[in-house]
Amino acid sequence: EAGVTQFPSHSVIEKGQTVTLRCDPISGHDNLYWYRRVMGKEIKFLLHFVKESKQDESGMPNNRFLAERTGGTYSTLKVQPAELEDSGVYFCASSQTGFHNNEQFFGPGTRLTVL
Amino acid sequence: KQEVTQIPAALSVPEGENLVLNCSFTDSAIYNLQWFRQDPGKGLTSLLLIQSSQREQTSGRLNASLDKSSGRSTLYIAASQPGDSATYLCAVSPFFFMDSSYKLIFGSGTRLLVRP
Repeated sequence: EAGVTQFPSHSVIEKGQTVTLRCDPISGHDNLYWYRRVMGKEIKFLLHFVKESKQDESGMPNNRFLAERTGGTYSTLKVQPAELEDSGVYFCASSQTGFHNNEQFFGPGTRLTVL
Repeated sequence: KQEVTQIPAALSVPEGENLVLNCSFTDSAIYNLQWFRQDPGKGLTSLLLIQSSQREQTSGRLNASLDKSSGRSTLYIAASQPGDSATYLCAVSPFFFMDSSYKLIFGSGTRLLVRP
């Protein structure tokens, strides 16, 4: 069974540009989460989808971040326009409701560098 | 507000030693607690998940305990090996009545080095 995949693995952009990150969850997982780690800090929650609906977006830092999960499958996280403080590693995780207490499985992350 | 702390921040031990990593959290209202391992430049690998009603979970040389009332969890690694070298992260899923977010709140991790 394939795990959570993320694309791209690395992205280097200039301040003011737009970047879109993609996450493909484990097949059949209805829950999809986005997290990020900025330099020197803990991993922080961004938002949670249940199928295509946003269950919790309390961690989204501001309106420059837009997440979507069309059709309840893969998800995209767009940053527009990117700022220097957005640099970090963005992780995606998925889980299946009711399975093993909603254990979350993480992807390898996308390292975003904003110059 | 739930906060998760991991002590120590870094640990270096000789191969073969048994060791304990500590995790504490400020609010005992949790749904579950997960321990992860992260290798440099890689994603997080789930090691053990303890439900709020459980006291411990075991997987191979790993044993995780949970004391919800005191807000503590420990990860015990038996007979450590150089391949165990990684960062170990503790994360709790806060319990909110009528809220099924299941988001994870992470500690800053313990960086473990097992010397051959």
